[in-house]
Amino acid sequence: SQTIHQWPATLVQPVGSPLSLECTVEGTSNPNLYWYRQAAGRGLQLLFYSVGIGQISSEVPQNLSASRPQDRQFILSSKKLLLSDSGFYLCAWEGASSYEQYFGPGTRLTVT
Amino acid sequence: LAKTTQPISMDSYEGQEVNITCSHNNIATNDYITWYQQFPSQGPRFIIQGYKTKVTNEVASLFIPADRKSSTLSLPRVSLSDTAVYYCLVVDTDKLIFGTGTRLQVFP
Repeated sequence: SQTIHQWPATLVQPVGSPLSLECTVEGTSNPNLYWYRQAAGRGLQLLFYSVGIGQISSEVPQNLSASRPQDRQFILSSKKLLLSDSGFYLCAWEGASSYEQYFGPGTRLTVT
Repeated sequence: LAKTTQPISMDSYEGQEVNITCSHNNIATNDYITWYQQFPSQGPRFIIQGYKTKVTNEVASLFIPADRKSSTLSLPRVSLSDTAVYYCLVVDTDKLIFGTGTRLQVFP
């Protein structure tokens, strides 16, 4: 069966520091992968999606970037974090049906 | 870009049927409408998906009218464990748009 992992689970970083969040998927090949951000008490905001290695689409202009160095690995990065980057970051892979997405456990990021 | 509207919150009692509606204009004519459930500090969980009319699975039903300007998630006989936030997901010109979410509180 397919599983999706995210780490770290929680992270506290100072403003201006770099960021690297990792997401890996097991049990499937060439999945569509997504990064979302959810501010406290708010809905989900799509940040990036990828349909294959090295293929990244950005949905929202920001100081974040994403990379997909391997088929089942999706990385979210920032060179300098802002206070507004705080939130719950979720990675998801897409199942057999379009928009049938399966989410990872998430990373709660607090920028101080 | 399509806009979605969901009630902010709903209350129910155990054993009742709950219907949550998402209004969405200008969505893609040939893409699914999908619903998710989210518990605190967890990622959303896929519930059900449909394109038109009615879809039913082991946990919910989804009603979509012919004009596809809304969709209604129906949860039969809710229990305390159904307390969560429910989101609709629609597509507009290849852009995924999550609804604002409906917080369902189920009371004993």
